[in-house]
Amino acid sequence: AQSVAQPEDQVNVAEGNPLTVKCTYSVSGNPYLFWYVQYPNRGLQFLLKYITGDNLVKGSYGFEAEFNKSQTSFHLKKPSALVSDSALYFCAVRDGDNFNKFYFGSGTKLNVKP
Amino acid sequence: GAGVSQSPRYKVAKRGQDVALRCDPISGHVSLFWYQQALGQGPEFLTYFQNEAQLDKSGLPSDRFFAERPEGSVSTLKIQRTQQEDSAVYLCASSLVLGGGPGELFFGEGSRLTVL
Repeated sequence: AQSVAQPEDQVNVAEGNPLTVKCTYSVSGNPYLFWYVQYPNRGLQFLLKYITGDNLVKGSYGFEAEFNKSQTSFHLKKPSALVSDSALYFCAVRDGDNFNKFYFGSGTKLNVKP
Repeated sequence: GAGVSQSPRYKVAKRGQDVALRCDPISGHVSLFWYQQALGQGPEFLTYFQNEAQLDKSGLPSDRFFAERPEGSVSTLKIQRTQQEDSAVYLCASSLVLGGGPGELFFGEGSRLTVL
């Protein structure tokens, strides 16, 4: 079965410090992995995706994510956090057997304190 | 349009009422998806359209839920005889590539349904 796990409900980090939001996945076939961000009362906004190729992918707003096949992980990272990065982050995987479905994690709330 | 547009943004319904939620996807996007997002949870798949064809409705929670996209653009999600457990944010997403492809989904801002 396809699934995504975000083990941390909340991540707290000080502004200027590096941040990591964790994601692990389970999928049949090749994984297509995504990160989205959601601000209060807004829809999900695409940040970045891994399809194939370089394990380190770069996305919007200075975010990047590292695909690790052996650990089935796709952690989201940023070298220097901003207060404006505070939001809800969702990891998602596209089902390799059923292209119609994207499975989302339960979300991680990122709090960046000044 | 420039983005995925959903209406109404907020809907309060009394239990037992029917509701209709509208989604206007990005122009030219072939694929359209509906997701349900309960409070504090990630989005969960409801149904998928490729143009006007509803190819997957396996996520619809009951036969009270019905979705259509008659002309392959605007879609409507209808919930009949609403129940309190239907309270959630309903997200619509579209994608240019068939089946979503390896590309990303573009989401609307959602319709928040509260059933009293």
